Amino acid sequence: DGGITQSPKYLFRKEGQNVTLSCEQNLNHDAMYWYRQDPGQGLRLIYYSQIVNDFQKGDIAEGYSVSREKKESFPLTVTSAQKNPTAFYLCASSMLRDRGGNEQFFGPGTRLTVL
Amino acid sequence: AQTVTQSQPEMSVQEAETVTLSCTYDTSESDYYLFWYKQPPSRQMILVIRQEAYKQQNATENRFSVNFQKAAKSFSLKISDSQLGDAAMYFCAYRSAIGTASKLTFGTGTRLQVTL
Repeated sequence: DGGITQSPKYLFRKEGQNVTLSCEQNLNHDAMYWYRQDPGQGLRLIYYSQIVNDFQKGDIAEGYSVSREKKESFPLTVTSAQKNPTAFYLCASSMLRDRGGNEQFFGPGTRLTVL
Repeated sequence: AQTVTQSQPEMSVQEAETVTLSCTYDTSESDYYLFWYKQPPSRQMILVIRQEAYKQQNATENRFSVNFQKAAKSFSLKISDSQLGDAAMYFCAYRSAIGTASKLTFGTGTRLQVTL
């Protein structure tokens, strides 16, 4: 089955620690995205990548870092510089627009809690 | 920058009835896409319906339809014959037609409750 997987489903972190959230897709999509969701707010874009070894900041990139070494994988690191990291994190992917794709497919999400 | 506004934090509908969720957006662009996503309690985001701005005809997907008013920058979602499984958060989203990556701008969501 094609889809997007995120792991772990729940993640607990102590203050001051970095933590990495995994996102893998087997849809052969070029673009991948990370969103953050807080209660009472919509999804906000953290980072996105259109091609391997290239990525761009979204609206709330401070305190986060990403890498795109493989087309299938787009891990997100929440660093100790992120002041309020407790949130629900969603990964998504899509074809690039010039290949006819404009729908984003989402993974099941990771709930990060800072203790 | 584009913004998307959903002014109804919560809505309630009886089973088998019809409900309309509101969405307005602000943009200076003429070509763009609009989406409604559903997020059930599992928190999996599911695409409900999409609308291309250059198409005048309103999109329809089974019991779901939209009322797209481009001049008013309004994009409401109508759910007919509501079912218990329709209970979820619904997010309106905007995507510019400029650029190759389909970055989405989301509204704050409307929680839909379906009652018997």
